[in-house]
Amino acid sequence: DQQVKQNSPSLSVQEGRISILNCDYTNSMFDYFLWYKKYPAEGPTFLISISSIKDKNEDGRFTVFLNKSAKHLSLHIVPSQPGDSAVYFCAASATGANNLFFGTGTRLTVIP
Amino acid sequence: DAGVIQSPRHEVTEMGQEVTLRCKPISGHNSLFWYRQTMMRGLELLIYFNNNVPIDDSGMPEDRFSAKMPNASFSTLKIQPSGPRDSAVYFCASSIRAASETQYFGPGTRLLVL
Repeated sequence: DQQVKQNSPSLSVQEGRISILNCDYTNSMFDYFLWYKKYPAEGPTFLISISSIKDKNEDGRFTVFLNKSAKHLSLHIVPSQPGDSAVYFCAASATGANNLFFGTGTRLTVIP
Repeated sequence: DAGVIQSPRHEVTEMGQEVTLRCKPISGHNSLFWYRQTMMRGLELLIYFNNNVPIDDSGMPEDRFSAKMPNASFSTLKIQPSGPRDSAVYFCASSIRAASETQYFGPGTRLLVL
């Protein structure tokens, strides 16, 4: 049972435009959400996170939005750069849990 | 900080052989995790240690898999005997305190069992 879902396996965006990656979750106990970026032959790299007490967290070109009522979060990258091309994983956890639950990833391609 | 260190980076072995994967977590991190990534199942948690003690091993697929953490700076994941279905990328990750916090991943070991 996939508790964190990324329904778009891939996304292509023109350089300079906005990339929006989406993630849905089913467990209302989740209170901490993360995005990881993964390049080929490397491990996932932590990118940005958000606690459930917030609805937005911004770090440079990256912004994560959380809509608790819809159980939905999104990652916005503005402006997108070719170096952002990677697989992006959404993850979620609940306080005290023994696990981060990961989505299956979205492959972002930024076209120069 | 060197980050999470894993060895070997690549391993090719024959079915039936023993495979040992190694991990050194980030210094000062109290939690360590072993994950397996496959095309079919994505990223799966195999086992989680906290303060060197296994807390949750429900993700370990079968008795052929075992993991140890003899001290705070070293862990192993062993597969004995290995089989073609075990071919995957195995990641080790660590976090400061708990599983529900930000986890930092190593580069992974790409295992191919022929």
